[in-house]
Amino acid sequence: DTAVSQTPKYLVTQMGNDKSIKCEQNLGHDTMYWYKQDSKKFLKIMFSYNNKELIINETVPNRFSPKSPDKAHLNLHINSLELGDSAVYFCASSQELLAGAKEQFFGPGTRLTVL
Amino acid sequence: GNSVTQMEGPVTLSEEAFLTINCTYTATGYPSLFWYVQYPGEGLQLLLKATKADDKGSNKGFEATYRKETTSFHLEKGSVQVSDSAVYFCALAVYNQGGKLIFGQGTELSVKP
Repeated sequence: DTAVSQTPKYLVTQMGNDKSIKCEQNLGHDTMYWYKQDSKKFLKIMFSYNNKELIINETVPNRFSPKSPDKAHLNLHINSLELGDSAVYFCASSQELLAGAKEQFFGPGTRLTVL
Repeated sequence: GNSVTQMEGPVTLSEEAFLTINCTYTATGYPSLFWYVQYPGEGLQLLLKATKADDKGSNKGFEATYRKETTSFHLEKGSVQVSDSAVYFCALAVYNQGGKLIFGQGTELSVKP
């Protein structure tokens, strides 16, 4: 069974559209994250949720809205897509919020291309 | 603020060569340090970690030692294989900051037969 899964794997869309990426983890973890990887492979955190509560929002534009219906799911909705949103988006999960040493498990990524 | 700096890539080595990828960090507080690996087309996987000074993390022949005095966590492997070709990320996490990982820029390793 896949530990952290994301759908879709690829997403190609036009500027101005609204799209969503879904993430699910079956590890029983309390904390989930979204990271953005740009074209130079640089990874930066966007959001984290703990038990459905938003913990981190790293100055991400309001067009990005994460939603956590339960602690196993963290979806990312993006409004009015822009060219600069093209990137690979990774979902991750970990067991404990404050324990910095805990391993994060990453999904396979969603490659978003905005035309 | 917190940051991680890695050596620039790409790094190209012949099979069985010795590998070092340098990583230094800046942190307010006492970070945990990690190396993640990203194989082509995949997500990141934890390679190894260290949580306190002088700890050595090791896995699959890779190792790194947490050096507080030099704020470094260099990745080493004595004999690389073609299957080690990937992008390697050094990262840190500081206690009580929501568990977020702060990554270096990644170092692409290519191992030739």
